[in-house]
Amino acid sequence: DTAVSQTPKYLVTQMGNDKSIKCEQNLGHDTMYWYKQDSKKFLKIMFSYNNKELIINETVPNRFSPKSPDKAHLNLHINSLELGDSAVYFCASSQTSSTSLHFGNGTRLTVT
Amino acid sequence: SQELEQSPQSLIVQEGKNLTINCTSSKTLYGLYWYKQKYGEGLIFLMMLQKGGEEKSHEKITAKLDEKKQQSSLHITASQPSHAGIYLCGAPNTGNQFYFGTGTSLTVIP
Repeated sequence: DTAVSQTPKYLVTQMGNDKSIKCEQNLGHDTMYWYKQDSKKFLKIMFSYNNKELIINETVPNRFSPKSPDKAHLNLHINSLELGDSAVYFCASSQTSSTSLHFGNGTRLTVT
Repeated sequence: SQELEQSPQSLIVQEGKNLTINCTSSKTLYGLYWYKQKYGEGLIFLMMLQKGGEEKSHEKITAKLDEKKQQSSLHITASQPSHAGIYLCGAPNTGNQFYFGTGTSLTVIP
């Protein structure tokens, strides 16, 4: 069984569109994250969400918004997509913020 | 914010050779994690180090934590093509976040 699953795996869309990436974890973890991996493979944290407490990386544009309908889901919604948003986005979860992370396989977003 | 610097950034080795990847933190480490990402896939957890001087091994991969130096090293013995990928160190900070190093891309030539 997949522990952390993201959908879709690939997403190609045009500038200005709004899109969402879904993430679900079946590990019973309390904390979920979204990371953006840039072209140099560097992972940057975007959000962490723990017991309804959202911590946002201040460098993330407000066009990005996480939505958590329940503890097992943390979806990423992006408004008015820009070319620079093209990247691989990883969802992850952990039991607490100081335990190891379990990652999804990533969503490759291409904005044209 | 916490910064984790990895060296080298990329590494190309012949199969069978040993190699070491280093991860240095700008702040006190409260545990250090090593992950591997196969190209195009998600991250795989390798091992976690929590105490200074701690050393762990998994198959041919050994990691050590030097808390005083705020540094960890990952050593691969007799590298194989299956070891190829991107190696990332990661660590929690005193806040509710987890940070990753800059990554080391490893290529193993058969």
